[in-house]
Amino acid sequence: EVQVVESGGGLVQAGGSLRLSCAASGFTFSEYYMDWVRQAPGKGLEWVGRSRNKVNSHSTEYAASVKGRFTISRDDSRNSVDLQINSLESEDTAVYFCTRGYCSDNGCVNFYGMDVWGPGTTVTVSS
Amino acid sequence: AIQMTQSPSSLSASVGDRVTITCRASQGIRNELGWYQQKPGKAPKLLIYSAFSLQSGVPSRFSGSGSGTDFTLTISSLQPEDFATYYCLQDYNYPLTFGQGTKVEFK
Repeated sequence: EVQVVESGGGLVQAGGSLRLSCAASGFTFSEYYMDWVRQAPGKGLEWVGRSRNKVNSHSTEYAASVKGRFTISRDDSRNSVDLQINSLESEDTAVYFCTRGYCSDNGCVNFYGMDVWGPGTTVTVSS
Repeated sequence: AIQMTQSPSSLSASVGDRVTITCRASQGIRNELGWYQQKPGKAPKLLIYSAFSLQSGVPSRFSGSGSGTDFTLTISSLQPEDFATYYCLQDYNYPLTFGQGTKVEFK
């Protein structure tokens, strides 16, 4: 079964750090882009960042709101992608989703959408 | 960053109704847009990618259209399981950006 499952969420004080993990199974992990998306309580979806596939050297992209504080890393040998969150702010309180996406070309002109989502892990930042 | 504006923010409809949700990009994004459905307490689900391609397993009552800046998600005959919030997402350039969502409620 194709799936991704997040872990590592919890309650943390403002200014602290947390490392979220996403474990993938059922597909050739190295071929896929992996994104993190978050959703604050009662709010819409916000893209957080991306790790490209092996062919694209696992390069990363980030939303402006998290750049410099969040770092995405992946280990294709363990079929996992992590999100390191530093200098946590109250605005980072959200459910964090890990998603899978496929690009048919190196430049990702043809993106086949985020077709597999994990159930999410909740991060709560206390001030 | 490209802004994605969905309309309406919410709508009330009945089973069997034809429902249309629009998404407008602040600049041209070719056809690099997806539509997602989210039910309360659940992860989003991919419905449409590349503006009009139906994701495998998604019922054919869902369809997408548009290119450039204006896009539409249509549900041809609303079913009870379709009451949810719908989001568009542009993947034309970074940062990827979602619309604010459209909540489809029971009339």
